[in-house]
Order: sequence, then C-alpha cells, then structure tokens
Amino acid sequence: GESVGLHLPTLSVQEGDNSIINCAYSNSASDYFIWYKQESGKGPQFIIDIRSNMDKRQGQRVTVLLNKTVKHLSLQIAATQPGDSAVYFCAENIWGAQKLVFGQGTRLTINP
Amino acid sequence: EAGVTQFPSHSVIEKGQTVTLRCDPISGHDNLYWYRRVMGKEIKFLLHFVKESKQDESGMPNNRFLAERTGGTYSTLKVQPAELEDSGVYFCASSQDPRLAGGQETQYFGPGTRLLVL
Repeated sequence: GESVGLHLPTLSVQEGDNSIINCAYSNSASDYFIWYKQESGKGPQFIIDIRSNMDKRQGQRVTVLLNKTVKHLSLQIAATQPGDSAVYFCAENIWGAQKLVFGQGTRLTINP
Repeated sequence: EAGVTQFPSHSVIEKGQTVTLRCDPISGHDNLYWYRRVMGKEIKFLLHFVKESKQDESGMPNNRFLAERTGGTYSTLKVQPAELEDSGVYFCASSQDPRLAGGQETQYFGPGTRLLVL
C-alpha cells in the first residue's frame, strides 16, 4: 500500500505486505530528515533518519528514501506486522535551527 | 537509561485557570525542546533550551506561555490563563550536544501531557 501524505492521512495494508508512507517537505534548506512512529498514548518514537547527502538509508525492516529534487521523503516498511500500526510522522530539520518541523502524519492500520 | 518523562500525563482545567507542565529530560542531555499538537494539526515547535538558556522561543504562541529551566535540568511550561485553544498534547524532547553526536542530534520524545481546557 502507498499513501500520499497530506492528501491521504490513513493507510491500510494487509499483514505481511510492504507499506510505503510518503511525505513532501517544505524547505529546500532542510538537511536532516527523521521518521517518527507514534502509538496511541505515547510520544513520537524515533525510527530512522537520513542526511541530505544521502538518498537512501536502511534499518531493520525500514528504508528511508530521500529525493531532494522534488523535496520528497518516503518510509518503506517491509513485511508489516500488527505492531506497526501507528501514526507516522516525517520531520525536517534545518542545520543551525535544531527545531523539528513535522508533517501532518499518516495513520497506518494493519489488517489481519 | 530512563527516557524523557513528563508530568502530569493528563490535565483537565477550566478556562482562565493556570496549569504547569513538567519535563525531565534524559540525563546528560543539554538540549530540551517543547512541542505541542493541537487537535487535527501537526506537531509544532514551541521552544528550545540549551541548558538553562532559551535558544529559540519562536514557536511560543503568546505571552500566556512561560517556560523555565532553572539549573538546566528539568523544565516547566506554565499556561496562565489557559484558553480553550490551548487544548492539545504537549510534548517534551531532549537531545545531547550535536558536537558529541557527530553533528546531528536525535531528539527523544516524552509521552506527552494531554491538556484539555473546558
């Protein structure tokens, strides 16, 4: 399944399928990007980050892709599990400013 | 290692009352941030402390909000008087010195305080 971020804040996928969550960021000066996962009743939890000098970074079951040309960020989750159900936020950071600018978030629901 | 903690977890107050939120960052983290998410909106930055100094308070909505970090450890965020539009979830995050983190810092978030102003 695939989302388009702000225009589709909910994404439902079957357990075991791959998920792709998209995010369009706003500032071409941003040079650090992070994906956070927020489960109900909890704060945002760091998943993976990427610097602007990279276009891909892989973690455990997750991959982040960065396309600076179109200011687009995506999070790929392989073989989704029930525990992946959460709201996923992308955030951007501008060197020297340190504050994070968050996207609206996408709710990922895993169907059994 | 304990994570970022926040107190209280929930607060329900009436318009015009005062509420004080507390954040305890991860031990050794000099950077402390406050963010909030109002209903249906994205998480937005409020301010950033480096130790006890306010580094950036550009996100503070108005002078009803006062943040302090005396001694450079825990921080408080006071809302006085509270208004209906202040309802939301207030998050605190902390990070270590970027120079120790190779130039970038990961911000670790607390569980948030859910504030409801009636």
